[in-house]
Amino acid sequence: DAMVIQNPRYQVTQFGKPVTLSCSQTLNHNVMYWYQQKSSQAPKLLFHYYDKDFNNEADTPDNFQSRRPNTSFCFLDIRSPGLGDAAMYLCATSFSGGRVGNEQFFGPGTRLTVL
Amino acid sequence: GEDVEQSLFLSVREGDSSVINCTYTDSSSTYLYWYKQEPGAGLQLLTYIFSNMDMKQDQRLTVLLNKKDKHLSLRIADTQTGDSAIYFCAESMMNTGFQKLVFGTGTRLLVSP
Repeated sequence: DAMVIQNPRYQVTQFGKPVTLSCSQTLNHNVMYWYQQKSSQAPKLLFHYYDKDFNNEADTPDNFQSRRPNTSFCFLDIRSPGLGDAAMYLCATSFSGGRVGNEQFFGPGTRLTVL
Repeated sequence: GEDVEQSLFLSVREGDSSVINCTYTDSSSTYLYWYKQEPGAGLQLLTYIFSNMDMKQDQRLTVLLNKKDKHLSLRIADTQTGDSAIYFCAESMMNTGFQKLVFGTGTRLLVSP
């Protein structure tokens, strides 16, 4: 089945220790998104890739970076995680030009704990 | 500006109807969505409505849109225990293939037997 896969599902890191979260997709979608969802809050868009073009949200901290080496994979790098970065990180994909509002398909998320 | 609000919690009995409400502020929104999130899982699209519609029905789900009041609701008929989850409404603005979603804070639905 076509899907959005996130690895790992649970990640524990130490304060200040860089961490990378992974997302892959078999949908061949050209747009990939990263959202941060803190406990009991709405998902918040960090950035997205439209094909190879990176688009950062204005309020995304510099501590968060992303890489997209090919269509299928996208990585979220947190350079120096702080306690406030503990959250669920959701990856999503969509196909530009789709008929139905460019529906976004979400992965199951990676829950990040910062000690 | 973009701001989407929902009530935080709803409790119903199995078999009853559930109505989850949402208000949004951006009148330029083109699509409005309802997503479901089960514990520890990602978001699953339930249904959507285009901004020029006022109602959409999809099996047990009915979406009502009052564009004048910027009010969106999701009605779940014959609610089941498996419907227990967090429900997010989201508005989107289309921008040449990029769809920015702004989510509400989510409504936790608890269905008791």
